[in-house]
Amino acid sequence: AQSVSQHNHHVILSEAASLELGCNYSYGGTVNLFWYVQYPGQHLQLLLKYFSGDPLVKGIKGFEAEFIKSKFSFNLRKPSVQWSDTAEYFCAVNPTGTASKLTFGTGTRLQVTL
Amino acid sequence: DGGITQSPKYLFRKEGQNVTLSCEQNLNHDAMYWYRQDPGQGLRLIYYSQIVNDFQKGDIAEGYSVSREKKESFPLTVTSAQKNPTAFYLCASSMGKTDTQYFGPGTRLTVL
Repeated sequence: AQSVSQHNHHVILSEAASLELGCNYSYGGTVNLFWYVQYPGQHLQLLLKYFSGDPLVKGIKGFEAEFIKSKFSFNLRKPSVQWSDTAEYFCAVNPTGTASKLTFGTGTRLQVTL
Repeated sequence: DGGITQSPKYLFRKEGQNVTLSCEQNLNHDAMYWYRQDPGQGLRLIYYSQIVNDFQKGDIAEGYSVSREKKESFPLTVTSAQKNPTAFYLCASSMGKTDTQYFGPGTRLTVL
């Protein structure tokens, strides 16, 4: 079975700082990769996804993620965070062709201070 | 508006009572899912259904039951057999079993 690790549980950044959230997965085959975001009081939303092709994926609100197959990683980045980026971020993975087996990481709580 | 609705937003029940959480979608998605979210544990899959009248257990199905009589509806019953039912429950749907999942707003269940 696949598993997902998010090592940063709580990150505090000042506005305009750069962000990188780590995500590593364990699975021997090909995978689809996702980042979801949960803003305070709102439902879980898709930030970006990787299925195939260019390993550098751009999502909404200036976020991007890079799939590095050799490192089993899919780190989330943003060059300059805003206060409105305060949220919980979840990395998720599923084996290609089996969306029903979506496995989530434990999440990273990002707090952006003014 | 197309989307996934879950009701109610907050639900309180006494220990020992069964409770049913509603999930409805008007996205014409074939697949639907139920997750449980606990602090520090991320989301864990309870049950999923890829087609009407069919569903499969996820990673933590014990103490839960579901039905899928209609394409747009996938209710979850939390039974008295679930040892720690207090949690945030999220419903999701996807076009097919290989597609991106989209989530509803969730129901926070508190068992007193």
